[in-house]
Formats: sequence, structure tokens, C-alpha cells
Amino acid sequence: NAGVMQNPRHLVRRRGQEARLRCSPMKGHSHVYWYRQLPEEGLKFMVYLQKENIIDESGMPKERFSAEFPKEGPSILRIQQVVRGDSAAYFCASSPWGPGEAFFGQGTRLTVV
Amino acid sequence: GIQVEQSPPDLILQEGANSTLRCNFSDSVNNLQWFHQNPWGQLINLFYIPSGTKQNGRLSATTVATERYSLLYISSSQTTDSGVYFCAVFSDYKLSFGAGTTVTVRA
Repeated sequence: NAGVMQNPRHLVRRRGQEARLRCSPMKGHSHVYWYRQLPEEGLKFMVYLQKENIIDESGMPKERFSAEFPKEGPSILRIQQVVRGDSAAYFCASSPWGPGEAFFGQGTRLTVV
Repeated sequence: GIQVEQSPPDLILQEGANSTLRCNFSDSVNNLQWFHQNPWGQLINLFYIPSGTKQNGRLSATTVATERYSLLYISSSQTTDSGVYFCAVFSDYKLSFGAGTTVTVRA
């Protein structure tokens, strides 16, 4: 059973470009979470999704950030018009049900230059 | 929202030593997990432990949900145990993380 797959592992974008981060949950998992980790800091919750639904997006910045988890395909975290402050590691986790055990992918390291 | 506090923030150990990490949380939770983030940034699942005690090799964990805390024990530490240990609790539709304990094990 493959783990949570994130791609790309590393992403470099120039200021003003768009970044698209992908997350494929573990087989049988229908709950997906996105977290952001700044250097030397902990993990901050961004958004919680189930298939085709956003359950909680209280941690998402109001502008430029969006997330989806379509019926088919991976979950996507999209950052428009990136700025240097968006540079961070973005982690995705999946679980079989809400409070079930969550497993994390290896993260996408976004660098904005 | 729920508050998750971990202590100590930093821990330096000599190889072979034992240690205890603590996680306090401010409200009732449906789930508690311990993770190890290794020096390469990967988050490794250690325990899924909403209550009770579990053991896995040199690591063990205890959660006392009624008193809102969990403990992670590391015995006979090895240099590969170095990294950041996170406690995370599930409440209000999200997994909320503590700030972590940075463990350095010296040979």
C-alpha cells in the first residue's frame, strides 16, 4: 500500500507566478489535510477536505490560496501570484476517517525567488 | 481553538540515555498522535494513541485523556533518534500540532 504521494518534491517559482502542489492520498483514504511549515517552526493547519468538499479552510489565507479534492484525481493546493513569504514546506496528510490515524507525505518545498 | 503544549522545547541526550517528552492539551480530543520529523524533514508516525499505553521497540507512549496529557518515552536513545518530536491532537475537524521537542542525541 503506497503512502501519501506529494509532487513535486521541490518547486521554484518567481514572484507573481502560480504554484500547484499535488497530493494523492493513501488508498482507501477520503480525508485530506494540508499543512504549511516555515523554517524552524511547527506545522500550521491550512485546510481539511473530503472528496469534492471543503470541510474546514480556517487556516487558509483569504487571498491567493485555494484547495480542491475532486472526485477523481489528486488534491491540489494552488497558490496564485506567489510572494517570497510563501516559501515553505507544504505537507499533505490523509486519513480513512476524520479522527482516524493520519499519514503524511514527504512534502513539497516551495521556494519563491 | 485547542491549545497543544509540548515540553521541554529542546533536549540534549547522551547516547544510551532515557528521556520523557510531554504533551498537554487544553480540551477533550478524539485522537492523539506522536510524530518524529527526521533531519530530512520527513514526518514519521510513531503512535496513534487517543488513550492508554502503547509500546514499539524502544519507544512507548501513554495518554491520559481525562487529565489531558500524553507522554512519549525514549529508552536507550540512539543518534538516529535525533530530530523533532511532535504531538498532534484531533479536535474541531483538524489535527493541531504542538511546537515540538527538538531532540539531539550525541554519540
